[in-house]
Amino acid sequence: NAGVMQNPRHLVRRRGQEARLRCSPMKGHSHVYWYRQLPEEGLKFMVYLQKENIIDESGMPKERFSAEFPKEGPSILRIQQVVRGDSAAYFCASSPLLGRTTQETQYFGPGTRLLVL
Amino acid sequence: DQQVKQNSPSLSVQEGRISILNCDYTNSMFDYFLWYKKYPAEGPTFLISISSIKDKNEDGRFTVFLNKSAKHLSLHIVPSQPGDSAVYFCAASLTQGGSEKLVFGKGTKLTVNP
Repeated sequence: NAGVMQNPRHLVRRRGQEARLRCSPMKGHSHVYWYRQLPEEGLKFMVYLQKENIIDESGMPKERFSAEFPKEGPSILRIQQVVRGDSAAYFCASSPLLGRTTQETQYFGPGTRLLVL
Repeated sequence: DQQVKQNSPSLSVQEGRISILNCDYTNSMFDYFLWYKKYPAEGPTFLISISSIKDKNEDGRFTVFLNKSAKHLSLHIVPSQPGDSAVYFCAASLTQGGSEKLVFGKGTKLTVNP
């Protein structure tokens, strides 16, 4: 059973360009989460999605950032008009269907390291 | 406002001895706690978890203790091995209205010396 896959692993963009980060959850997992880790910091929650639905985007910056998880294909985190402050490691995690009484662990991908020049 | 705190940025332990990593939290609504291990240039790897209704969970060399009254949890690794050297993140889970998010501490870098 393949783990959570993210690509690209490294992404370099110039200021003003767009960055697209992709995440394929583990097989059988229908929940996807995106986290951002700045240098010397812990991971910070950005957004939680299920297929075709954004459930919680309370951690997403108000502008330039968007996320989707289409019916077919990977989840995409899109950053428009990148700035140097967007440089960070972006991690995707997935979990199975969240049961009412069961806490499901989130499993993380290897991350995409974005560098904005 | 940091809801999950790991006050020790680093810890150094001799091989074979016990490693104790600590974590404090402020939000009494957290209902689940997890420890993740992270190597450089890799994603966090789930290690062990504990529900807020328990006070201890053990898995091999790893034991997590939860003290709800003190809002404190700790991870014990015994015996410590050089391969345990990594950054350890404490995370707390908040489930509200069908949404689940993890709140992470800043991590503790553990070095196990041979």
